[in-house]
Amino acid sequence: SAVISQKPSRDICQRGTSLTIQCQVDSQVTMMFWYRQQPGQSLTLIATANQGSEATYESGFVIDKFPISRPNLTFSTLTVSNMSPEDSSIYLCSGEGMNTEAFFGQGTRLTVV
Amino acid sequence: TQLLEQSPQFLSIQEGENLTVYCNSSSVFSSLQWYRQEPGEGPVLLVTVVTGGEVKKLKRLTFQFGDARKDSSLHITAAQTGDTGLYLCAGGIGMEYGNKLVFGAGTILRVKS
Repeated sequence: SAVISQKPSRDICQRGTSLTIQCQVDSQVTMMFWYRQQPGQSLTLIATANQGSEATYESGFVIDKFPISRPNLTFSTLTVSNMSPEDSSIYLCSGEGMNTEAFFGQGTRLTVV
Repeated sequence: TQLLEQSPQFLSIQEGENLTVYCNSSSVFSSLQWYRQEPGEGPVLLVTVVTGGEVKKLKRLTFQFGDARKDSSLHITAAQTGDTGLYLCAGGIGMEYGNKLVFGAGTILRVKS
C-alpha cells in the first residue's frame, strides 16, 4: 500500500484568503482524488486529479473555487480559494490502489474564521 | 447517480457483543471496500471484495459481498473497545477516465467497556 503525506494537518484561515493543501505519495499512482468530510460524516468527492490534464470535478465543485494541480504521478495540490466559514471542513487526498481501493492522507482540518 | 446506503448510522454496544453494518445499493459495483477511521486520521482500508458472493475474514471481522455485487455487510464478533471508530463502505465505479469510489454515509461505532 502507498503512504500518503498531506500538509498542513490543520489551519485556521481568515475569510477571503486561499489555502493550498499538498499531497505527496511515496510511489507513483495513476489516480489521485480530493475529498471533503465533515467530522463523523462520510466523504464527498471533490475532484479527480489527472496528471498532465485538467482535474475532473464532481457536481457542485468548480475549478475557480478548488483549483487542483497534478504535476507528476506522486504529487498533487488542492487550493481552497476565497474561503468562507462554509468551507470549514476536513480535506483528504487519496491515491488509488490496484482494485480501486483508496489510500488516504491524514487529512487537513480547515477552520475559516 | 449511484448511491450507497449504509446502516445503522450510529451503534453503541457493550464489549463482547456482536454487530453487523450493512451497505446497500441499486447499482452494481466493480469492487466494495470497507474502511475504518479514527478522529484526526484518514480512513484506513480494512478489506476489498471484488467477486459476487465473496466472504473475507479479518480476525473478528467478516465481510461479505452480495451475489449481485450491489450490497455488502461487515460483521464484528465479540466487539472490543478498540473497534470504536467510524466505519465506511465504498463502492468502486468505472468511469471514462478511470475508477472512482462512492462512499456510504458511515457508521459511528462505540464499544463500551
